[in-house]
Amino acid sequence: GAVVSQHPSRVICKSGTSVKIECRSLDFQATTMFWYRQFPKQSLMLMATSNEGSKATYEQGVEKDKFLINHASLTLSTLTVTSAHPEDSSFYICSASDRYTDTQYFGPGTRLTVL
Amino acid sequence: QKEVEQNSGPLSVPEGAIASLNCTYSDRGSQSFFWYRQYSGKSPELIMSIYSNGDKEDGRFTAQLNKASQYVSLLIRDSQPSDSATYLCAVTPPDLYNTDKLIFGTGTRLQVFP
Repeated sequence: GAVVSQHPSRVICKSGTSVKIECRSLDFQATTMFWYRQFPKQSLMLMATSNEGSKATYEQGVEKDKFLINHASLTLSTLTVTSAHPEDSSFYICSASDRYTDTQYFGPGTRLTVL
Repeated sequence: QKEVEQNSGPLSVPEGAIASLNCTYSDRGSQSFFWYRQYSGKSPELIMSIYSNGDKEDGRFTAQLNKASQYVSLLIRDSQPSDSATYLCAVTPPDLYNTDKLIFGTGTRLQVFP
């Protein structure tokens, strides 16, 4: 089946630092990748849609200068949380859309803790 | 009105019973429908996808879609304690610019007790 990896799985950082999270589709090409955030006991919230070779589309209320997204190839998208603060602590999950089936497959997630 | 609605639960069923999870959506033009399972602290895992009216069966899982009623359900037969998780309903709305985007419900927590 389709496999999506994320790295790192867990990160703890100090307030004010930047954190980069990688999302890779391992066995299929993904023209579109999605970044979600999930706070405890809440549902997934879509942050942005990332299309290969073009600028990401951000959902309302998501700061594009704070959450930098790069989708350089059909198998890799990165999310950089810039100048992280404790309120950015959350579970960040990427998904990749198989271009042939329109099905989204999720990565294992990255748990970010900002001290 | 929320775009995708689910009862948050918990839905408690005994082991071996049928668990019935329901989802309604507001946009009549929605095209694709998915059920994901999410264990606590983990990311969602695709269980079923369904695109046309009727039933779709895969092992112990059956997805049912009724576009006229804007309703999609998931039946889990012979429920096992390992099925205990949150089940997320997701819908692809009609979107000229991004047909892959999913709208998620808040999820239904299922508890299967021995």
